[in-house]
Amino acid sequence: QLQLQESGPGLVKPSETLSLTCTVSDGSISSSSYYWSWIRQPPGEGLEWIGSMYYSGSTYYNPSLKSRVTISVDTSKNQFSLRLRSVTATDTAIYYCARANYGDPFDYWGQGTLVTVSS
Amino acid sequence: AIQMTQSPSSLSASVGDSVTITCRASQGIRNDLGWYQQKPGKAPKLLIYAASSLQNGVPSRFSGSGSGTDFTLTINSLQPEDFATYYCLQDYNYPRTFGQGTKVEI
Repeated sequence: QLQLQESGPGLVKPSETLSLTCTVSDGSISSSSYYWSWIRQPPGEGLEWIGSMYYSGSTYYNPSLKSRVTISVDTSKNQFSLRLRSVTATDTAIYYCARANYGDPFDYWGQGTLVTVSS
Repeated sequence: AIQMTQSPSSLSASVGDSVTITCRASQGIRNDLGWYQQKPGKAPKLLIYAASSLQNGVPSRFSGSGSGTDFTLTINSLQPEDFATYYCLQDYNYPRTFGQGTKVEI
């Protein structure tokens, strides 16, 4: 059974860069047809898609975050990562990594990690 | 971006009731819609994909329907474990967009 696990700092200072990693277990991140994605949820609020990356390198980002976001894949470690630059308090959220098959919604999710932006 | 509008935002129901949640897309999305269930402190769980296909392991009391712009999620014979928040997601194009959520309360 595929498993995803987010990791990274739980506290980031305003104006700095949020960096998270998602480790994929019991499955290869290089498998064709899968998109590896990040989704976030501010405390008590709804879900917001951040971006997705195909294993080959194609990326898609939420226009509202595109200028600050980079998603990358490290196939040697079976991981993918999120970098969100110049964070503010509004970036405080639970960050989830997830997988989607081409043309399908996200079927496997990590447990989520809370990132707080505060000085 | 396609806007997904869910209604109601919350509802109260009892065990054994049937409930229906609707999701409307701002433009046609064929049947490229999924439904999720989220419980407090947990990641969303996929219930329905392609508008009406039941994800493996999901009880048959959950069903989805619709195409184009209007979609529904129906839960028949509500069980105690079904009290949660439900979200729709369009996977027709990018950016992916979620509905704002429907909280099903006792």
